[in-house]
Amino acid sequence: AQKITQTQPGMFVQEKEAVTLDCTYDTSDQSYGLFWYKQPSSGEMIFLIYQGSYDEQNATEGRYSLNFQKARKSANLVISASQLGDSAMYFCAMSLGAGGTSYGKLTFGQGTILTVHP
Amino acid sequence: GAVVSQHPSWVICKSGTSVKIECRSLDFQATTMFWYRQFPKQSLMLMATSNEGSKATYEQGVEKDKFLINHASLTLSTLTVTSAHPEDSSFYICSASPGTSDTDTQYFGPGTRLTVL
Repeated sequence: AQKITQTQPGMFVQEKEAVTLDCTYDTSDQSYGLFWYKQPSSGEMIFLIYQGSYDEQNATEGRYSLNFQKARKSANLVISASQLGDSAMYFCAMSLGAGGTSYGKLTFGQGTILTVHP
Repeated sequence: GAVVSQHPSWVICKSGTSVKIECRSLDFQATTMFWYRQFPKQSLMLMATSNEGSKATYEQGVEKDKFLINHASLTLSTLTVTSAHPEDSSFYICSASPGTSDTDTQYFGPGTRLTVL
C-alpha cells in the first residue's frame, strides 16, 4: 500500500524568503504521480504542482518547484519569495499509475500548516 | 478551465434526516469522480470512487448504505448522507479529472461543510 508522510505539522517563514515543505512517500509501484495542493482557510483545494515518476526534470510552476529525489522517495515543495497569501495548509499527495482500481485515486499526507510572517 | 463545483457549500440538518451534495464538472466531462471527507485540521480521506453508469467503489470502512453515491452523467455525481448523525458532521470534497491518464491532475470542488445537530 502506498503512503505519504509530511513530518512538519507547522512551518513559519518570513515574507519574501524561501521555504521548503517536506514530503516522503512509499510505494512499490514504478509509475506514480506526486502532487502538491494548497488549502486556505476557505477549504478549497488548489492544485500547485505535479511530478511524474518518470520525469527526469524537477517540476516548476512560477514560485513553486518540486525537489524530486526518487532514490530517497522524497518530493519536497519549495516556495520562493513567500507572500502573506501563501499562509495555508499544504498537502502532498500521490496517485498510482498503471490503471486498474487505483486510477486517479489520491493518497494524502497529513499536511503542513505554513504561516508567513510580515 | 477544469472547474469543479459543489452544492451546497454548507448545510445544517437535524439528526435522522438525509442530505444530498452535488458535484459538477463545469467545463469538462469526468467518467470518474472521487469523494473525500476531511475533519478539522486533518488530511483528506478518500470515501469512494464514483463511476458514471456503474456502482461506486467504496473504501474500506465506509458504509455504502449510509453514503449513497450516484453518478448520473459525465458531469454530475451526488453524495447522499442518509439518516445523518452528529458524527457525520464533516467537510466533504469531491474531485474530478478531465484527463484519461492515471496520473492526471485531480481538480477539487470547493467542498461542502455538513453540520448535523
